[in-house]
Amino acid sequence: DAGVIQSPRHEVTEMGQEVTLRCKPISGHDYLFWYRQTMMRGLELLIYFNNNVPIDDSGMPEDRFSAKMPNASFSTLKIQPSEPRDSAVYFCASRGLAGGPNSYNEQFFGPGTRLTVL
Amino acid sequence: RKEVEQDPGPFNVPEGATVAFNCTYSNSASQSFFWYRQDCRKEPKLLMSVYSSGNEDGRFTAQLNRASQYISLLIRDSKLSDSATYLCVVTTYGNKLVFGAGTILRVKS
Repeated sequence: DAGVIQSPRHEVTEMGQEVTLRCKPISGHDYLFWYRQTMMRGLELLIYFNNNVPIDDSGMPEDRFSAKMPNASFSTLKIQPSEPRDSAVYFCASRGLAGGPNSYNEQFFGPGTRLTVL
Repeated sequence: RKEVEQDPGPFNVPEGATVAFNCTYSNSASQSFFWYRQDCRKEPKLLMSVYSSGNEDGRFTAQLNRASQYISLLIRDSKLSDSATYLCVVTTYGNKLVFGAGTILRVKS
């Protein structure tokens, strides 16, 4: 299994530009999560999907951020317009079907996209 | 107050040492507890789950005290390869992981 795949691995852009991050979850996993990691705030959950439907987007910092999951094998996180404070590592993770609402299956993280906004 | 708090370290220890990390969480409704490991510039990976009865995996022992809302990780006979950031993680309802800021461990020869 190839694991969670993210692209690009590195992105450098200028303030005001649109940025699109991509994620391919592990085949068969029905939960997908987007996280952001910075030195100041650590690892934060932005949004997660179940069966391609957004379940909780309370972590999305503001309207400049949007995420979609058009099918079970692909998700995007878009920032428009980007700002220097968006510079961070963005991780995508996926998880298989849990045994119930209170059970847990391991989340597998992708290698991350290191975003720098100048 | 942060939902999950850890001593950031760094902990600098010699090979073969025993080292312990602590973590506290603020939400008494937290249901599941984990330690993740993150190597420099890599993604987090699950190290072990933490149960009230305590659990051990080789050189690693994890403990949970629900009354004190406290989680620990003990590493015995430290190896150079144990050098990493250790993240304390809790969930309140199945799907959402809340991460601590991490504790840095450096094992030196």
